[in-house]
Amino acid sequence: DTGVSQDPRHKITKRGQNVTFRCDPISEHNRLYWYRQTLGQGPEFLTYFQNEAQLEKSRLLSDRFSAERPKGSFSTLEIQRTEQGDSAMYLCASSSLWRGTQETQYFGPGTRLLVL
Amino acid sequence: SQKIEQNSEALNIQEGKTATLTCNYTNYSPAYLQWYRQDPGRGPVFLLLIRENEKEKRKERLKVTFDTTLKQSLFHITASQPADSATYLCALVYYGQNFVFGPGTRLSVLP
Repeated sequence: DTGVSQDPRHKITKRGQNVTFRCDPISEHNRLYWYRQTLGQGPEFLTYFQNEAQLEKSRLLSDRFSAERPKGSFSTLEIQRTEQGDSAMYLCASSSLWRGTQETQYFGPGTRLLVL
Repeated sequence: SQKIEQNSEALNIQEGKTATLTCNYTNYSPAYLQWYRQDPGRGPVFLLLIRENEKEKRKERLKVTFDTTLKQSLFHITASQPADSATYLCALVYYGQNFVFGPGTRLSVLP
């Protein structure tokens, strides 16, 4: 399977614990995005990378959230000191953007987080 | 900030009919607009893209229109089938590649 993969698919944690999610994008894609989605809402942008550089981060994103993309390959999203409001589906998407093209995002299956 | 509205939250139609979903936005128009399909528990899947200077795009049973004056896109599924039941999301894409997604419309095609 050459699509976007995410691990784990489900995570249950207690309030105050730290969690880390992983995303493996399509190998030739240079852009990687993280989104959060709650029930009945569309994906909400969190941050994105072009290669290994983190180019934008949502102003709504708490300092408890951090993301990395070492070597421009896979990415990790860490949430520290989780709160019940962090419960959501966390989606990763990758894309390939070149001059003169329009960008299409390919999404992974998501990681569903439940904070108790 | 940009606000996007999509239809009502849910739309029910009879099999064989044409489903029409709307995406309305405020403020400035995007460079292009995309429609995605999302099934429960899964990530969105890209369907169609339309640029700001295009009026209409088609792909098989799907058609999308884009009116920058009205700040609206319409998404049509003709000869709808129960397998078309899903949530449909519109996404506005601005130069600088910032994606803004709407809340989605949950479509149910009844046999």
